[in-house]
Amino acid sequence: DAGVIQSPRHEVTEMGQEVTLRCKPISGHDYLFWYRQTMMRGLELLIYFNNNVPIDDSGMPEDRFSAKMPNASFSTLKIQPSEPRDSAVYFCASSSGFGNTQYFGPGTRLTVL
Amino acid sequence: AQSVTQLDSHVSVSEGTPVLLRCNYSSSYSPSLFWYVQHPNKGLQLLLKYTSAATLVKGINGFEAEFKKSETSFHLTKPSAHMSDAAEYFCVVSGRNSGNTPLVFGKGTRLSVIA
Repeated sequence: DAGVIQSPRHEVTEMGQEVTLRCKPISGHDYLFWYRQTMMRGLELLIYFNNNVPIDDSGMPEDRFSAKMPNASFSTLKIQPSEPRDSAVYFCASSSGFGNTQYFGPGTRLTVL
Repeated sequence: AQSVTQLDSHVSVSEGTPVLLRCNYSSSYSPSLFWYVQHPNKGLQLLLKYTSAATLVKGINGFEAEFKKSETSFHLTKPSAHMSDAAEYFCVVSGRNSGNTPLVFGKGTRLSVIA
């Protein structure tokens, strides 16, 4: 398996622009997670899905953030409008079963100017 | 709710000397425990996992961890550090069901290896 795939790997945008991050989980995994990592706040769980259904979005910082999972092989995290404080590395991870090993993608490094 | 505490934010060792990264956990049930490693500008990679089969767990790259229920600890060790071990290490505890967070990550320990 190719592992968790994320795109783009790097994104530089200007404040106010819409940003869309993409993730393809490992085939057969039923859980998908979005994390954000910064020096100040460490690794934060933003939202997770089970069988394409959002289960817990309590980590989503603001209404500017939204996530979807239209099918088992694709998910997006959207920020609209983006702000400089959104600059971070965003990771997608997937797992088979609750509380089991999560496999992480390489991350998307987002810079908002 | 479950939680983990990594007792050191930064550990520095000389190449060839032993590594000890400390982790204590809190859980109301028998959890699964993990160690993940993150090299600079990389994603997180599973190092090893404990699921109650054996208290001493061997992982990749010569690392191992011992589950001690009486001490609620899951410390990570390696007999001899290599320069390539320099990275951030995360201790992780699993949630039990959908009422919990699936995996709870510690704040991380940065390991530096000095030549």
